[in-house]
Amino acid sequence: DSGVTQTPKHLITATGQRVTLRCSPRSGDLSVYWYQQSLDQGLQFLIQYYNGEERAKGNILERFSAQQFPDLHSELNLSSLELGDSALYFCASSELSGGPTDTQYFGPGTRLTVL
Amino acid sequence: GDSVTQMEGPVTLSEEAFLTINCTYTATGYPSLFWYVQYPGEGLQLLLKATKADDKGSNKGFEATYRKETTSFHLEKGSVQVSDSAVYFCALNAVSGTYKYIFGTGTRLKVLA
Repeated sequence: DSGVTQTPKHLITATGQRVTLRCSPRSGDLSVYWYQQSLDQGLQFLIQYYNGEERAKGNILERFSAQQFPDLHSELNLSSLELGDSALYFCASSELSGGPTDTQYFGPGTRLTVL
Repeated sequence: GDSVTQMEGPVTLSEEAFLTINCTYTATGYPSLFWYVQYPGEGLQLLLKATKADDKGSNKGFEATYRKETTSFHLEKGSVQVSDSAVYFCALNAVSGTYKYIFGTGTRLKVLA
């Protein structure tokens, strides 16, 4: 158990809908990262938050947004969902802002299925 | 740009065989290097890491040495078990402009009894 929790575990929804994925980092970790894992694209970094502020952005679509709250939990919002958004979404956390020795610890993931 | 290249899988071995999964990287500066393992239906777990050249990371019988001269971080295990069947990801953490982790595409390992 990494100490990172994600809810829900599974999510099934329809095209055009909006969903929210939630992540609680390990105790004491200040950074939260979001990743998308699909069969054809592998593991794609989406976005990082550090202590409430956006720190780094990867291949995140404009339909997706995230935030990190004062208690350091984070939410990933996916809107206008398309079939291609079906994937595993992972959250990870690390102690610091992501320096060279900072290690990421992953949650169990949320499996999103868009029908 | 920074990148990680892993050998393609799947890799199929018999129990007690020797395992090598190749990983090479391209990065500016001095990245840290990681191996993560993903068991079926689970998230990624940190397996081992090395933060500077010639460091050897080790855990659960797995080892990898940070080779700056060959820009490699190959994963090895002397005797695999069926329970090692999983997908293994090599990753680097490089600060080049905007920080980000870069993962390889993953190598699936299947160990047969």
